[in-house]
Amino acid sequence: AQKITQTQPGMFVQEKEAVTLDCTYDTSDQSYGLFWYKQPSSGEMIFLIYQGSYDEQNATEGRYSLNFQKARKSANLVISASQLGDSAMYFCAMRETGSSNTGKLIFGQGTTLQVKP
Amino acid sequence: SAVISQKPSRDICQRGTSLTIQCQVDSQVTMMFWYRQQPGQSLTLIATANQGSEATYESGFVIDKFPISRPNLTFSTLTVSNMSPEDSSIYLCSVGTGANTEAFFGQGTRLTVV
Repeated sequence: AQKITQTQPGMFVQEKEAVTLDCTYDTSDQSYGLFWYKQPSSGEMIFLIYQGSYDEQNATEGRYSLNFQKARKSANLVISASQLGDSAMYFCAMRETGSSNTGKLIFGQGTTLQVKP
Repeated sequence: SAVISQKPSRDICQRGTSLTIQCQVDSQVTMMFWYRQQPGQSLTLIATANQGSEATYESGFVIDKFPISRPNLTFSTLTVSNMSPEDSSIYLCSVGTGANTEAFFGQGTRLTVV
């Protein structure tokens, strides 16, 4: 069965510094996708970045990058040059995209990030 | 990308009543999903809304409690029936296009049952 684990309930980072949010996953499928979302206090889910299991390069989107280590089954999110507006809950999620593709996302427990001025 | 309009954005309801949440997408999408996020928790899938047929519910969720409609490829509703305080959560609509790289969410409905 699929599982996503985020072991950091809360993280602090100083403004303008980089921070890494951990995510490990478990799946028996060879084809899958990994997503990161940001959820501010308003409750909306903001899509940040996507990594496919067959992508050879780590995904990047502006200040967000994904450190994908397939053998270790980890997909850590790196936020560079943190800003006060980055303070939010961050979720890692996975979707199986092979023959068992149902489109469903499985979410980790989330990490609360607080950026200090 | 798809633009998703979900409403209401929040509501306070009396126990024993029902609330219907609407999800409107600006383009036709193949997959629509409803998630629940209880306070301080992660997101849990309630069901997949299937166009023209009954929704597919996840373990622990039943149609009598969470009836879902999906009359076309751009619209779906989720009803939370006979509400109790334990139903107080954020309910989120999500859509998937044909590309596996995309999964977008509506703004969410913050429900409080008193």
